[in-house]
Order: sequence, then structure tokens, then C-alpha cells
Amino acid sequence: DVKVTQSSRYLVKRTGEKVFLECVQDMDHENMFWYRQDPGLGLRLIYFSYDVKMKEKGDIPEGYSVSREKKERFSLILESASTNQTSMYLCASSPTGGANTGELFFGEGSRLTVL
Amino acid sequence: QQQVKQSPQSLIVQKGGISIINCAYENTAFDYFPWYQQFPGKGPALLIAIRPDVSEKKEGRFTISFNKSAKQFSLHIMDSQPGDSATYFCAASYEGSTLGRLYFGRGTQLTVWP
Repeated sequence: DVKVTQSSRYLVKRTGEKVFLECVQDMDHENMFWYRQDPGLGLRLIYFSYDVKMKEKGDIPEGYSVSREKKERFSLILESASTNQTSMYLCASSPTGGANTGELFFGEGSRLTVL
Repeated sequence: QQQVKQSPQSLIVQKGGISIINCAYENTAFDYFPWYQQFPGKGPALLIAIRPDVSEKKEGRFTISFNKSAKQFSLHIMDSQPGDSATYFCAASYEGSTLGRLYFGRGTQLTVWP
């Protein structure tokens, strides 16, 4: 069974803290994505990566950075968390062929609250 | 700007009824239109998808209708069941876009009353 695992399901952080959200996939997929999900706004793409050490900005990259040191792992970093980054964060992966057919495989999400 | 517009934002249907969710797009380069289903506490999962060379695709109780000239597509859920209660996202992509990245609608929260 394909699996995308987000290590933290729930996090509570304080304003200004550095936050790491980790995502691991076991499907040997080339492409990985970080989305943010907010009610009424749907899924918004933050960053994506098509190869190790490669990254591309999505639609809302401000305030975020990413790291992909290994093919199976894609980390989202909030350098200095702010309250407006309180949200559900979803990681996804897809194979190179799958990306062209919309076959994204999502993790279960990390709900971040910034106080 | 929003590439895919989805409506309604929420939908309440009685058990056995038909649920209809609509999406519209502007970019005529889009050539792949998937629908994702998300249950509470879970990530979205691919439900059904269509390419514009057909006007309809059916999988069980789920049907996508596609109108290329109107640049619209819709999801129909026949004989809706309480287990269908979820958030549904339409999306679009086109070959040649970066990674074939998906552009999502804002989602529709469907509630099916028993």
C-alpha cells in the first residue's frame, strides 16, 4: 500500500518559533509537494520538488522554505512562525508519470496552531 | 488568479438523492480533470478523472460530465449515501506544465443526511 507519512499530526507553536514539518514517502516517487489547506480557500501549493535538492515555489511560498536531501523525504520549514500560518499542512507525492495524470498521493496532514 | 472555480461551497443532500458539484476553468490548455475526495482527518484521495476527449465518465455511482465548449465539468453522485459525506475538490492540469501540477478548486463540503 502506498504511503505518505507526516510525522506530526498536531503541533502547537509560539509566534517566532522555527517549525519543521516532516514528510516521508515509501513509493520511490520523484515529485513531492507541500500544500496548505484552509476552509473556503481549498488547497494552495506552497512548494514542490521534482528531484533531490531541487525545489520550486508554488503559489504561496512567502514565510516558508523546504529541504529535500533524500528522495523519500521533503521537509517544510517555517523560519519564524506567525499566527497567520495556523493551518492544515498536507504533503503529497507523485511519480513522474503520475504527476501528468493527477495521481497525487497525500499524507493525512499536520495541523499547526501558532499562538 | 484562481484557475479553477468550484461551486457550491457546501451542499446538503438527503440519502438517495443526487449530489452535483460544478467546476469551471479558463485555461484551454487544461487536458486533465481529476476529482479528489477528502474525509475528515484524512488527506485527499483521487476519486475519478476525465480527459476532454470524452464528455462523460462513470465509475459506480460517480459520474463526471465534461463540457469542453463551456469550459465546465461537474461531478454527479447518484443515490448519495451518508458515507459519501466528505469534501470534494475538482482540479485541472495540462501536459507540459511543471510536473503536470494540479490547480485545485476551493472544495465543496458535502453532507448526506440519512
